Amino acid sequence: AQKITQTQPGMFVQEKEAVTLDCTYDTSDQSYGLFWYKQPSSGEMIFLIYQGSYDEQNATEGRYSLNFQKARKSANLVISASQLGDSAMYFCAMREVSNSGYALNFGKGTSLLVTP
Amino acid sequence: DAMVIQNPRYQVTQFGKPVTLSCSQTLNHNVMYWYQQKSSQAPKLLFHYYDKDFNNEADTPDNFQSRRPNTSFCFLDIRSPGLGDAAMYLCATSPLNSNQPQHFGDGTRLSIL
Repeated sequence: AQKITQTQPGMFVQEKEAVTLDCTYDTSDQSYGLFWYKQPSSGEMIFLIYQGSYDEQNATEGRYSLNFQKARKSANLVISASQLGDSAMYFCAMREVSNSGYALNFGKGTSLLVTP
Repeated sequence: DAMVIQNPRYQVTQFGKPVTLSCSQTLNHNVMYWYQQKSSQAPKLLFHYYDKDFNNEADTPDNFQSRRPNTSFCFLDIRSPGLGDAAMYLCATSPLNSNQPQHFGDGTRLSIL
Protein backbone atom coordinates (compact mmCIF):
# COMPACT_ATOMS: atom_id res chain seq x y z
CA ALA A 1 0.00 0.00 0.00
CA GLN A 2 1.19 3.48 -0.81
CA LYS A 3 2.52 5.12 2.31
CA ILE A 4 3.16 8.58 0.88
CA THR A 5 0.99 10.18 -1.79
CA GLN A 6 1.98 13.26 -3.73
CA THR A 7 -0.90 14.00 -6.10
CA GLN A 8 0.76 16.80 -8.09
CA PRO A 9 3.21 15.44 -10.68
CA GLY A 10 4.07 18.98 -11.78
CA MET A 11 3.52 22.52 -10.55
CA PHE A 12 4.23 25.97 -11.93
CA VAL A 13 4.67 29.10 -9.86
CA GLN A 14 5.75 32.59 -10.71
CA GLU A 15 8.84 34.01 -9.10
CA LYS A 16 8.17 35.68 -5.72
CA GLU A 17 4.84 33.91 -5.31
CA ALA A 18 4.11 31.25 -2.67
CA VAL A 19 3.40 27.64 -3.61
CA THR A 20 2.02 24.65 -1.71
CA LEU A 21 3.11 21.11 -2.51
CA ASP A 22 0.72 18.44 -1.26
CA CYS A 23 1.60 15.31 0.68
CA THR A 24 -0.65 12.80 2.41
CA TYR A 25 0.54 9.75 4.28
CA ASP A 26 -0.72 6.51 5.72
CA THR A 27 0.55 4.91 8.90
CA SER A 28 -0.76 3.13 11.95
CA ASP A 29 2.22 4.22 14.04
CA GLN A 30 1.72 6.88 16.69
CA SER A 31 5.32 8.01 16.41
CA TYR A 32 6.69 8.93 13.00
CA GLY A 33 8.58 11.65 11.22
CA LEU A 34 7.84 13.50 8.00
CA PHE A 35 10.55 14.98 5.81
CA TRP A 36 10.73 17.05 2.66
CA TYR A 37 13.68 16.81 0.30
CA LYS A 38 14.59 18.84 -2.78
CA GLN A 39 16.31 17.18 -5.72
CA PRO A 40 17.69 19.52 -8.42
CA SER A 41 18.43 18.18 -11.88
CA SER A 42 22.02 17.47 -10.78
CA GLY A 43 20.66 14.64 -8.61
CA GLU A 44 21.63 15.33 -5.01
CA MET A 45 18.94 15.06 -2.34
CA ILE A 46 18.80 18.13 -0.13
CA PHE A 47 17.00 17.99 3.21
CA LEU A 48 14.56 20.89 3.66
CA ILE A 49 12.35 20.42 6.70
CA TYR A 50 11.21 17.92 9.32
CA GLN A 51 7.96 17.46 11.26
CA GLY A 52 7.57 14.98 14.09
CA SER A 53 4.21 13.39 14.76
CA TYR A 54 4.18 14.75 18.32
CA ASP A 55 5.22 18.27 17.37
CA GLU A 56 2.37 20.63 18.14
CA GLN A 57 3.64 23.50 16.04
CA ASN A 58 4.18 23.50 12.30
CA ALA A 59 7.85 23.32 11.35
CA THR A 60 9.49 26.28 9.63
CA GLU A 61 12.93 26.68 8.07
CA GLY A 62 13.48 30.02 6.38
CA ARG A 63 11.21 30.19 3.32
CA TYR A 64 9.96 26.65 3.92
CA SER A 65 7.09 25.79 6.22
CA LEU A 66 5.17 22.62 6.75
CA ASN A 67 1.38 22.69 7.07
CA PHE A 68 0.87 19.64 9.30
CA GLN A 69 -2.68 18.41 9.76
CA LYS A 70 -2.41 15.22 11.75
CA ALA A 71 -6.08 14.25 11.71
CA ARG A 72 -6.12 14.52 7.93
CA LYS A 73 -2.69 12.84 7.65
CA SER A 74 -1.34 15.60 5.49
CA ALA A 75 2.01 17.38 5.56
CA ASN A 76 2.04 19.99 2.82
CA LEU A 77 5.17 21.99 2.06
CA VAL A 78 4.76 25.74 1.60
CA ILE A 79 7.51 27.65 -0.17
CA SER A 80 7.17 31.40 0.23
CA ALA A 81 8.66 33.98 -2.13
CA SER A 82 9.67 31.42 -4.79
CA GLN A 83 13.02 31.84 -6.49
CA LEU A 84 14.22 30.52 -9.85
CA GLY A 85 16.61 28.24 -7.96
CA ASP A 86 13.65 26.49 -6.34
CA SER A 87 12.92 24.70 -9.62
CA ALA A 88 13.48 21.02 -8.78
CA MET A 89 11.78 17.76 -7.79
CA TYR A 90 10.37 17.76 -4.28
CA PHE A 91 9.91 14.54 -2.35
CA CYS A 92 7.85 14.00 0.76
CA ALA A 93 9.06 11.09 2.91
CA MET A 94 8.03 9.35 6.11
CA ARG A 95 10.05 7.51 8.67
CA GLU A 96 8.21 5.06 10.88
CA VAL A 97 9.66 4.10 14.24
CA SER A 98 8.64 0.49 13.66
CA ASN A 99 11.10 0.21 10.76
CA SER A 100 14.53 -0.97 11.77
CA GLY A 101 17.08 1.65 10.88
CA TYR A 102 14.35 4.21 10.32
CA ALA A 103 14.38 3.91 6.54
CA LEU A 104 12.43 6.50 4.58
CA ASN A 105 9.36 5.86 2.45
CA PHE A 106 9.31 8.38 -0.37
CA GLY A 107 6.40 9.71 -2.38
CA LYS A 108 6.66 9.89 -6.18
CA GLY A 109 7.61 13.54 -6.08
CA THR A 110 6.37 16.83 -7.47
CA SER A 111 8.28 18.68 -10.16
CA LEU A 112 8.23 22.41 -9.45
CA LEU A 113 9.04 24.97 -12.12
CA VAL A 114 9.48 28.58 -11.07
CA THR A 115 8.97 31.04 -13.93
CA PRO A 116 10.22 34.63 -14.17
CA ASP B 1 32.57 20.14 6.50
CA ALA B 2 31.09 16.83 7.58
CA MET B 3 29.51 15.14 4.62
CA VAL B 4 28.63 12.08 2.60
CA ILE B 5 30.84 11.49 -0.43
CA GLN B 6 30.08 9.18 -3.31
CA ASN B 7 32.56 8.09 -5.94
CA PRO B 8 32.50 8.17 -8.81
CA ARG B 9 29.85 10.73 -9.78
CA TYR B 10 29.33 8.97 -13.12
CA GLN B 11 30.06 5.32 -13.82
CA VAL B 12 29.81 3.48 -17.11
CA THR B 13 30.10 -0.28 -17.22
CA GLN B 14 29.42 -3.05 -19.67
CA PHE B 15 26.50 -5.42 -19.52
CA GLY B 16 27.43 -8.22 -17.12
CA LYS B 17 30.69 -6.63 -15.91
CA PRO B 18 30.85 -6.28 -12.11
CA VAL B 19 30.92 -2.75 -10.77
CA THR B 20 31.45 -1.26 -7.32
CA LEU B 21 30.16 2.08 -6.11
CA SER B 22 31.60 3.66 -2.99
CA CYS B 23 30.33 5.90 -0.24
CA SER B 24 32.16 7.49 2.65
CA GLN B 25 30.97 9.67 5.51
CA THR B 26 32.56 11.97 8.04
CA LEU B 27 29.38 12.30 10.11
CA ASN B 28 30.06 9.20 12.23
CA HIS B 29 26.47 8.05 11.77
CA ASN B 30 25.45 4.54 12.79
CA VAL B 31 23.22 3.89 9.82
CA MET B 32 24.14 3.88 6.15
CA TYR B 33 21.66 3.33 3.32
CA TRP B 34 21.77 2.57 -0.39
CA TYR B 35 18.90 3.73 -2.60
CA GLN B 36 18.28 3.12 -6.28
CA GLN B 37 16.50 5.87 -8.19
CA LYS B 38 15.41 5.31 -11.76
CA SER B 39 14.47 8.15 -14.04
CA SER B 40 11.42 10.13 -12.87
CA GLN B 41 10.87 7.81 -9.93
CA ALA B 42 11.22 8.03 -6.17
CA PRO B 43 14.31 6.59 -4.49
CA LYS B 44 13.90 2.93 -3.61
CA LEU B 45 15.74 1.50 -0.63
CA LEU B 46 17.97 -1.46 -1.49
CA PHE B 47 19.48 -2.15 1.94
CA HIS B 48 20.93 -0.48 4.98
CA TYR B 49 23.47 -1.10 7.72
CA TYR B 50 23.01 -0.34 11.39
CA ASP B 51 26.65 -0.45 12.43
CA LYS B 52 27.67 -3.86 11.07
CA ASP B 53 24.16 -5.30 11.01
CA PHE B 54 23.02 -5.69 7.42
CA ASN B 55 19.34 -5.28 6.53
CA ASN B 56 18.25 -6.30 3.05
CA GLU B 57 14.93 -5.18 1.59
CA ALA B 58 12.79 -8.16 0.58
CA ASP B 59 12.63 -7.17 -3.08
CA THR B 60 16.29 -6.27 -3.58
CA PRO B 61 17.71 -8.56 -6.29
CA ASP B 62 20.51 -10.96 -5.33
CA ASN B 63 22.62 -9.22 -7.96
CA PHE B 64 23.10 -6.37 -5.48
CA GLN B 65 25.46 -6.82 -2.56
CA SER B 66 26.92 -4.46 -0.01
CA ARG B 67 29.92 -4.23 2.29
CA ARG B 68 30.63 -1.97 5.22
CA PRO B 69 34.21 -2.54 6.35
CA ASN B 70 34.08 0.24 8.95
CA THR B 71 31.87 3.10 10.15
CA SER B 72 33.04 5.48 7.46
CA PHE B 73 32.77 3.40 4.30
CA CYS B 74 30.06 1.46 2.54
CA PHE B 75 30.17 -0.18 -0.90
CA LEU B 76 27.52 -1.28 -3.33
CA ASP B 77 28.52 -4.19 -5.56
CA ILE B 78 26.51 -5.10 -8.62
CA ARG B 79 27.70 -8.54 -9.66
CA SER B 80 26.29 -8.73 -13.18
CA PRO B 81 24.71 -5.43 -14.21
CA GLY B 82 21.80 -5.59 -16.60
CA LEU B 83 20.33 -2.79 -18.68
CA GLY B 84 17.59 -2.39 -16.07
CA ASP B 85 20.15 -1.49 -13.43
CA ALA B 86 20.95 1.82 -15.08
CA ALA B 87 19.95 4.37 -12.47
CA MET B 88 21.12 6.93 -9.95
CA TYR B 89 22.45 5.27 -6.80
CA LEU B 90 22.17 7.33 -3.67
CA CYS B 91 24.01 6.72 -0.42
CA ALA B 92 22.64 8.21 2.78
CA THR B 93 23.53 8.21 6.45
CA SER B 94 21.67 8.97 9.64
CA PRO B 95 21.95 8.60 13.37
CA LEU B 96 19.41 6.26 14.91
CA ASN B 97 17.27 9.09 16.34
CA SER B 98 14.02 9.18 14.40
CA ASN B 99 13.85 12.96 14.29
CA GLN B 100 17.14 13.34 12.44
CA PRO B 101 17.17 13.57 8.64
CA GLN B 102 19.10 11.29 6.38
CA HIS B 103 22.05 13.01 4.77
CA PHE B 104 22.56 12.09 1.14
CA GLY B 105 25.61 12.04 -1.05
CA ASP B 106 25.50 13.54 -4.53
CA GLY B 107 24.81 10.13 -6.03
CA THR B 108 26.47 7.97 -8.68
CA ARG B 109 24.76 7.84 -12.03
CA LEU B 110 25.32 4.37 -13.49
CA SER B 111 25.08 3.68 -17.21
CA ILE B 112 25.18 0.20 -18.74
CA LEU B 113 26.52 -0.33 -22.27
